Amino acid sequence: GAVVSQHPSWVICKSGTSVKIECRSLDFQATTMFWYRQFPKQSLMLMATSNEGSKATYEQGVEKDKFLINHASLTLSTLTVTSAHPEDSSFYICSAKRLAGLETQYFGPGTRLLVL
Amino acid sequence: DAKTTQPNSMESNEEEPVHLPCNHSTISGTDYIHWYRQLPSQGPEYVIHGLTSNVNNRMASLAIAEDRKSSTLILHRATLRDAAVYYCILSKDSGYALNFGKGTSLLVTP
Repeated sequence: GAVVSQHPSWVICKSGTSVKIECRSLDFQATTMFWYRQFPKQSLMLMATSNEGSKATYEQGVEKDKFLINHASLTLSTLTVTSAHPEDSSFYICSAKRLAGLETQYFGPGTRLLVL
Repeated sequence: DAKTTQPNSMESNEEEPVHLPCNHSTISGTDYIHWYRQLPSQGPEYVIHGLTSNVNNRMASLAIAEDRKSSTLILHRATLRDAAVYYCILSKDSGYALNFGKGTSLLVTP
């Protein structure tokens, strides 16, 4: 099957620090990866779309200078939350689309971020 | 984007079949119907997808109405591990981000 991993699975940080979250496709190449955010009792909200080798496309209302996305290879995308604040505390989830066809995406297990 | 409508919640007894409905009356001819589920504190898990014909896999079956304006996800024998939020999502292909609605919260009781 197609496996997507995220690291770390959870992180606690102080307000003002930066946190990097990695998303890896373990057994397939991903041309496109997506980053979602989910607050408690709510559904997933798309933050940005990242394509390998190009700049990410951010959804309206998502600050690109605050949520830095890098998709440096066909198996790795990173999301860096810069100068994190308590309101950034959330569940961050990535998904990946296979390079070769198929009409579905595969999701990572998520990263829970708590900013104190 | 074409929208989907699902019941907020459903309840089932363990080992009984579950039929989760989804309405998508504004679906276009190129929209695939995807089903994902999300267990608490986990990322969404792919369940099944289809375009026009009914589909079966080891997890579930997907029954698509002839006019494609509705579909039903069928879990043949619900287990306690099937308790999750089930999302019915339309997408043209996997290159597009998925628009998650509120989904259906399935409760499975022993």
